[in-house]
Amino acid sequence: SYVLTQPPSVSVAPGKTARITCGGNNIGSKFVHWYQQKPGQAPILVIYYHSDRPSGIPERFSGSSSGNTATLTISGVEAGDEADYYCQVWDGSIDHPVFGGGTKLTVL
Amino acid sequence: EVQLVESGGGLVQPGRSLRLSCAASGFTFDDYAMHWVRQAPGKGLEWVSGITWNSGSMGYADSVKGRFTISRDNAKNSLYLQMNSLRPEDTALYYCAKGSSTTWYNPSDYWGQGTLVTVSS
Repeated sequence: SYVLTQPPSVSVAPGKTARITCGGNNIGSKFVHWYQQKPGQAPILVIYYHSDRPSGIPERFSGSSSGNTATLTISGVEAGDEADYYCQVWDGSIDHPVFGGGTKLTVL
Repeated sequence: EVQLVESGGGLVQPGRSLRLSCAASGFTFDDYAMHWVRQAPGKGLEWVSGITWNSGSMGYADSVKGRFTISRDNAKNSLYLQMNSLRPEDTALYYCAKGSSTTWYNPSDYWGQGTLVTVSS
């Protein structure tokens, strides 16, 4: 089945830019979605179809994808952005969604 | 306001069964696919099962195939997960998630708060 690889952790200072990667074979050809999960809370969708933002998600959140890597970029990071982030794609070979292992974003 | 409220979790012995429910409100339930996603303690998200808007198609993760059955009752705005032959590794918080279209190819745009299932003797 399709495997998505995320770094376990990313640290960034407030106001800086955080980049969280999601690696997968030819992921640039698939639709990538990103979820944010804060401690004790349910996940929320922050980016879908590579780079679209649901209503209510700040413009600081953006997404891109090319080749074997998709990236979630958070500009001007705030303390409230500290959370786990998961990428997700649809795996056509097994006909169901797949999640990456998640990345814990720490705001220093 | 979209609301998804899961229920039915609890402590169950290995090999026994449990049925989870998800009550949906705030949207036209039968316009959307629905999913169950679980999260073991301290672990990441794992998709468990999905069902299209009209129950025409269902899908399961390999880890639960043959043991779990997803269903929905559009008249009652409810989603279900029948879990049989439970194993300790099924211990997790089970989330109900709304798809963003009629099929499950698309992302989940709303999630419930989850119901905890603990499988232990």
